[in-house]
Amino acid sequence: KAGVTQTPRYLIKTRGQQVTLSCSPISGHRSVSWYQQTPGQGLQFLFEYFSETQRNKGNFPGRFSGRQFSNSRSEMNVSTLELGDSALYLCASSFSRDTYNEQFFGPGTRLTVL
Amino acid sequence: TQLLEQSPQFLSIQEGENLTVYCNSSSVFSSLQWYRQEPGEGPVLLVTVVTGGEVKKLKRLTFQFGDARKDSSLHITAAQPGDTGLYLCAGTRVNTGNQFYFGTGTSLTVIP
Repeated sequence: KAGVTQTPRYLIKTRGQQVTLSCSPISGHRSVSWYQQTPGQGLQFLFEYFSETQRNKGNFPGRFSGRQFSNSRSEMNVSTLELGDSALYLCASSFSRDTYNEQFFGPGTRLTVL
Repeated sequence: TQLLEQSPQFLSIQEGENLTVYCNSSSVFSSLQWYRQEPGEGPVLLVTVVTGGEVKKLKRLTFQFGDARKDSSLHITAAQPGDTGLYLCAGTRVNTGNQFYFGTGTSLTVIP
């Protein structure tokens, strides 16, 4: 079974631009979560989508948004990029939303904002 | 603010030594997971513990969930260079679905 895939793997943007990242979950998984990882803050939860609906949202500004499609694929968008948005963006998929569910991570998209 | 604090933050040991990584919180968690992450890659799930006091073993790795489900530990016996990586704990709380709260991370280097 193929794992979680994320595209692109690397991205370089300049301040003020916007970016869209894509995540394809493991086949059959309906929950997709997004995380931002930086050396200073570690892994921070952005949001979770399940059946095309946002179910949870972390403490990030409105510049960070996402969506999920009917095939469970998800995209994350960041508008008006800031230098501090440089990070590894990770996507994780889960089969369901059960409390004891396990999540599986993709390799991440490394975003650099210049 | 991190709900889960890990210690130590950095650890450098010789091959063959034993080590323990701690994951602590003042909050109760429904489940707790441990991951290992290598540079440039996503975290890879090692284990999930769900019952207070639960102990799981994965070859040379032993994981324990605290009785009160507020803390966990990861013990590695006879560390090998292949164990090098960033170890992360992550927990879920009741009624928060798939929102995982990650620990601060422990960077382990095993020197041959």
